[in-house]
Amino acid sequence: EVELLESGGGLVQPGGSLRLSCAASGFTFSNYVMNWVRQAPGKGLEWVSGISGSGDRTNYVDSVEGRFTISRDNSKNTLFVQMNSLRVGDTAVYYCARGYCGAGRCYWYYFDSWGQGTLVTVSP
Amino acid sequence: DIQMTQSPSSLSASVGDRVTITCRASQSIGRYLNWYQQKPGKAPKFLIYAASSLQSGFPSRFSGTGSGTEFTLTISSLQPEDFATYYCQQTSSTPPTFGQGTKVEIK
Repeated sequence: EVELLESGGGLVQPGGSLRLSCAASGFTFSNYVMNWVRQAPGKGLEWVSGISGSGDRTNYVDSVEGRFTISRDNSKNTLFVQMNSLRVGDTAVYYCARGYCGAGRCYWYYFDSWGQGTLVTVSP
Repeated sequence: DIQMTQSPSSLSASVGDRVTITCRASQSIGRYLNWYQQKPGKAPKFLIYAASSLQSGFPSRFSGTGSGTEFTLTISSLQPEDFATYYCQQTSSTPPTFGQGTKVEIK
């Protein structure tokens, strides 16, 4: 069974930093694209960042480019995002989400498994 | 970025009703359209991909159609467990973007 477990959320002041982790199990982690998707309180879903299975390719939404860095440790089946220069607008539940693979193809942005999320609150 | 607009934003329906949700893209996205179901306090679930392919684990009362800029999600006979918020998502270009969601509530 696929399991994704996020950790590292909390309360941080504007301008501060936080590192989120996502521990994966139940599948061959290195074979899958992984992503971070966030959801502000009471709001919709926003894709934040994605990383290829090998870790050599990354993508970011413009609003976090240069502030967030996605990475992964395939030896430990763990996904990370380092979040710097945090803003009040970054307040959200952050989910890690796996990119779907099926019929011999893998897709970056078909999110077929999600963690339970970790809450990041940026407040003075 | 491609903008995704869902309608309605919310709806009230009864068990057994047929429910249709529309999702429109600001430009053509082919069939690169997915749907997710989210219940309160839970992570979203992957419901439909490539506009019409039903993900395993979901019943056949869920269906998706469309291509280009207009898509629909239909629930043929609403069940109690279907009350949730539904999001469409385009994956035609980066960044992938979501609609604002449609909340399906009990009448």
